[in-house]
Amino acid sequence: AQKITQTQPGMFVQEKEAVTLDCTYDTSDQSYGLFWYKQPSSGEMIFLIYQGSYDEQNATEGRYSLNFQKARKSANLVISASQLGDSAMYFCAMREGLGGSYIPTFGRGTSLIVHP
Amino acid sequence: DTGVSQNPRHKITKRGQNVTFRCDPISEHNRLYWYRQTLGQGPEFLTYFQNEAQLEKSRLLSDRFSAERPKGSFSTLEIQRTEQGDSAMYLCASSLRLDRGEETQYFGPGTRLLVL
Repeated sequence: AQKITQTQPGMFVQEKEAVTLDCTYDTSDQSYGLFWYKQPSSGEMIFLIYQGSYDEQNATEGRYSLNFQKARKSANLVISASQLGDSAMYFCAMREGLGGSYIPTFGRGTSLIVHP
Repeated sequence: DTGVSQNPRHKITKRGQNVTFRCDPISEHNRLYWYRQTLGQGPEFLTYFQNEAQLEKSRLLSDRFSAERPKGSFSTLEIQRTEQGDSAMYLCASSLRLDRGEETQYFGPGTRLLVL
């Protein structure tokens, strides 16, 4: 079974609009971390936001927020006021368990295109 | 520039040749990770180091792959007898421990390998 599922291969949004990128995860661990990364065409993975499984509040970082619904095992990324520079691949990732190697498992990504 | 750097950025080689990639992590990071990313997929974990010790290797890492991190600073990833299936982006990341005990990984720009 996929540990991270991103069901939207591609998304389009108009500049200045908000967009939600979906991510569901599968784990039996009680402690885990969820991450979102952005990968522009240049190839570098850019860390955007983190949510811990015990965090009671949704994480926010500037225009990025993570809609964390633990019971549904979803961790959707919300980008407010989209900008042309937001066009990129977006990857959701999960790190399971406490301590150890912190090796995340990545989803297949969602391609976001922001058009004027 | 204080980010993660990787060299070369691009490598074209013939099948059967050996290639070596280098990664220079963020200087205060003691953990270093190697990933492989193929088209349409998220990064897949290959191996990671804590300081100079290689602590975990993925089953994806065949005997033709070897990684080192002498003195716990930069790391090299060597692929011997390259095959066309090795064509991919090879990403390096180093990690920073967050206040809550979580870690987030900062990625380099990657080395894109094409095996002819």
